[in-house]
Amino acid sequence: GAGVSQSPRYKVAKRGQDVALRCDPISGHVSLFWYQQALGQGPEFLTYFQNEAQLDKSGLPSDRFFAERPEGSVSTLKIQRTQQEDSAVYLCASQRPGEPMEQYFGPGTRLTVT
Amino acid sequence: RKEVEQDPGPFNVPEGATVAFNCTYSNSASQSFFWYRQDCRKEPKLLMSVYSSGNEDGRFTAQLNRASQYISLLIRDSKLSDSATYLCVVNEKGQGGADGLTFGKGTHLIIQP
Repeated sequence: GAGVSQSPRYKVAKRGQDVALRCDPISGHVSLFWYQQALGQGPEFLTYFQNEAQLDKSGLPSDRFFAERPEGSVSTLKIQRTQQEDSAVYLCASQRPGEPMEQYFGPGTRLTVT
Repeated sequence: RKEVEQDPGPFNVPEGATVAFNCTYSNSASQSFFWYRQDCRKEPKLLMSVYSSGNEDGRFTAQLNRASQYISLLIRDSKLSDSATYLCVVNEKGQGGADGLTFGKGTHLIIQP
């Protein structure tokens, strides 16, 4: 594909529901990142994969957040028992191997928890 | 404590004017620096990297002052299409993963006709 894609683009969940957000990185990009962007804020790092290995999950705000990338390509960010404070845009980014300068972002999933 | 600080603005600037933003970062061990641009309800996109010697890309000039830990972006001859949020971004290896980025809140720029 031409760029990073994410689905769904918009998700409304009732408080307490589980959600799963999908990211398709650019083909061949080894590194994949998840960020959370609240309204009026810059993106905040959540977690990082290199291929299928989750090398850093220090930014995940609680144990309700879980991310996986089992085959080193598509990644899923899962949020269990959603809370209102989880409402944000969830951005996925991928990075070309050997070129650490730029991360390519997907359009994001806008999650609203009611 | 936010590690990358920016004036959120908004900066209202007439078309054709020159505008400058600064940002400061707290981690002196930071290694790479960038300006990203984010349009309303869109994803961030890399505008330019920032090098110690300063660098220019058309109407845009970026500078880094490691001693004072600040980064600047200068836009000359501003265009209506420059209206966006400009995110100051730092790569702090060892925090946020090998290449996880730390973003400022962004500076909102509005170019007025």
